[in-house]
Amino acid sequence: DIQMTQSPSSVSASVGDRVTITCRASQGIGTWLAWYQQNPGKAPKLLIYTASSLQSGVPSRFSGSGSGTDFTLTISSLQPEDFATYYCQLANSFPLTFGGGTKVDIK
Amino acid sequence: EVQLLESGGGLVQPGGSLRLSCAASGFTFSSYAMSWVRQAPGKGLEWVSTITGSGGSRYSADSVKGRFTISRENSKNTLYLQMNSLRPEDTALYYCATYLVAPTGAHDHWGQGTLVTVSS
Repeated sequence: DIQMTQSPSSVSASVGDRVTITCRASQGIGTWLAWYQQNPGKAPKLLIYTASSLQSGVPSRFSGSGSGTDFTLTISSLQPEDFATYYCQLANSFPLTFGGGTKVDIK
Repeated sequence: EVQLLESGGGLVQPGGSLRLSCAASGFTFSSYAMSWVRQAPGKGLEWVSTITGSGGSRYSADSVKGRFTISRENSKNTLYLQMNSLRPEDTALYYCATYLVAPTGAHDHWGQGTLVTVSS
C-alpha cells in the first residue's frame, strides 16, 4: 500500500502569512492527489484535486503543485477562516490513504 | 444542492453490530461511487470503504475487511455500512461522501457524520 506523509504536523502563522504544507507519497502517484480542509466540528471540504486543480468555489489563494512523490499545498495569504486542519489524500488508487494532517493555528 | 445525511450511529458493546445509513439527494445517486470515511476522536481521517455506482465493485481498508460491508440501494438513494464484530478502536465519527472517479479521483461532497461509540 502507498503511504502518505504530511509535514509539518502543525504550523503557527498569522493572518496574511504565506503557508506551505507538504505531502509525500511512498511511491510515485503521478498527480493523483487531493487536498482537503477541515474546520473544527465540520466535515472535510475538497480544495484541490489532481494535485493542482482548484475545486469550484475555492478561493484562489489556495494552490497545489507537485507530481510523482512530492506535493505542496500553498495558502498565499492566510485568512481568519483558513485556520483549520489540512489533509492530503491519495486519489484513484485503493486504499485511498489520507495523510496524517497539518493543523494551521494562530501564532 | 447535494445533501448527504448519515444516521444509525450510537453506543454498542464490543463484538456488537450496527448498520449506518446515508440518505442522498440533489444528484443522480446511481451515477456516483460512494465512500465511508471515519475520524476517531481527536484523530485524522481514515478511509473505510468505497462502492461503485452500480454496486458491482467494493473496496475496503484492511482494518475493516471481513467485518464491515458497504452496500447501496439505488432505488432508495441510500448508502449503507454494515458493521459487525465491532471493536473499541472503531469508535469514530463516520462520514459518507461522494467519490468522483473522474476527473477528480476525490471526495467532493460530504455529510455531517454519525457517531459510533464502541464501549462496554
